[in-house]
Amino acid sequence: DAGVIQSPRHEVTEMGQEVTLRCKPISGHDYLFWYRQTMMRGLELLIYFNNNVPIDDSGMPEDRFSAKMPNASFSTLKIQPSEPRDSAVYFCASSPPVGKRAPGANVLTFGAGSRLTVL
Amino acid sequence: GENVEQHPSTLSVQEGDSAVIKCTYSDSASNYFPWYKQELGKRPQLIIDIRSNVGEKKDQRIAVTLNKTAKHFSLHITETQPEDSAVYFCAASIYGGSQGNLIFGKGTKLSVKP
Repeated sequence: DAGVIQSPRHEVTEMGQEVTLRCKPISGHDYLFWYRQTMMRGLELLIYFNNNVPIDDSGMPEDRFSAKMPNASFSTLKIQPSEPRDSAVYFCASSPPVGKRAPGANVLTFGAGSRLTVL
Repeated sequence: GENVEQHPSTLSVQEGDSAVIKCTYSDSASNYFPWYKQELGKRPQLIIDIRSNVGEKKDQRIAVTLNKTAKHFSLHITETQPEDSAVYFCAASIYGGSQGNLIFGKGTKLSVKP
């Protein structure tokens, strides 16, 4: 398996522009998570999905952020309009179904991240 | 909800010394405690985890201990090497429950000096 695939790896945009980050989870994983990492706030959970349904979006900072998962193999995180304080590394991660988590197996696998810079 | 505190935020040791990182959690229902290592510019990767049915787990030079009563758990790295230099994150969640999300501590930047 190629692991969790994120795109783009780097994005530089200007304030006010729309940003869309993309994620393809590991095949067979039914949980998908979006995290944001900054020096000040560390790794923050933004939202997570189970079977394509958003379960908890309490970490989404404000209405400018939205996330969708139209099918089991694709999710997007959109920021509109973007602001300089949104600059961060955004990680997508996925987990296998609860009943298929082998003891000692990795519960959460991260993608390589998307580094966003908003000027 | 769950809250995870991690200390120290930075840790510097000499090569060959031991390093200890400590975390506390707030939700007594949490029963899964993984540790992730993140090298500069890379993604976090799992290095060891423990479930609340055991008190200690060891894998070569790394070990994790858990005190359920006090709601704290620790990462121990022995005989540190320069390649152990990274940011380490602890996390807590309910394993096997409907919640799959991990709540992370703020991280500890470990520097191992040759």
